[in-house]
Amino acid sequence: ILNVEQSPQSLHVQEGDSTNFTCSFPSSNFYALHWYRWETAKSPEALFVMTLNGDEKKKGRISATLNTKEGYSYLYIKGSQPEDSATYLCAFERNTDKLIFGTGTRLQVFP
Amino acid sequence: DGGITQSPKYLFRKEGQNVTLSCEQNLNHDAMYWYRQDPGQGLRLIYYSQIVNDFQKGDIAEGYSVSREKKESFPLTVTSAQKNPTAFYLCASSKTGTPEAFFGQGTRLTVV
Repeated sequence: ILNVEQSPQSLHVQEGDSTNFTCSFPSSNFYALHWYRWETAKSPEALFVMTLNGDEKKKGRISATLNTKEGYSYLYIKGSQPEDSATYLCAFERNTDKLIFGTGTRLQVFP
Repeated sequence: DGGITQSPKYLFRKEGQNVTLSCEQNLNHDAMYWYRQDPGQGLRLIYYSQIVNDFQKGDIAEGYSVSREKKESFPLTVTSAQKNPTAFYLCASSKTGTPEAFFGQGTRLTVV
């Protein structure tokens, strides 16, 4: 059984704070690492898909890095806003086209 | 608008009854997936299908069945053999060669 672990499980920050969380995954047979953002009562939405060691992706105030050799990815949010409140899921993809999800990090940003 | 639709949003069933959850997509995606979420756990893969008339078991397929008679549709049946059916079920689809998956809004199944 493959384990994808995310930490912390939940996070509460003040508006304007920057924050980051971690996704750990098996480093063997890596194909891709996905980040999703899941707001309450909505569908998960894809943020990033990263495939190469050292990849860095950015979308507005959110960015992600990838280290496939040691099996981790960081997601950063700069200057958090209340609308960033959501659960952030990472998913590991081997060369079998199956996505294996972590438990998510629940972020709450207080105004 | 293109998208993936799950119905119903909430479903209640008596223990021992089979129940079928609907998932339809009009994105022309080849692959479709069913995931289950329980409190404190990530999304776990139940079944997936890469092409019409073919599907594969995921990590927790026991007590579930699926069919893929049409590209647009991938219904999931929760059978009476599933010991803990109460959960949140998410359906997803993706295009072959494209890593990004699109999700429905989920069905919350409660078995009493």
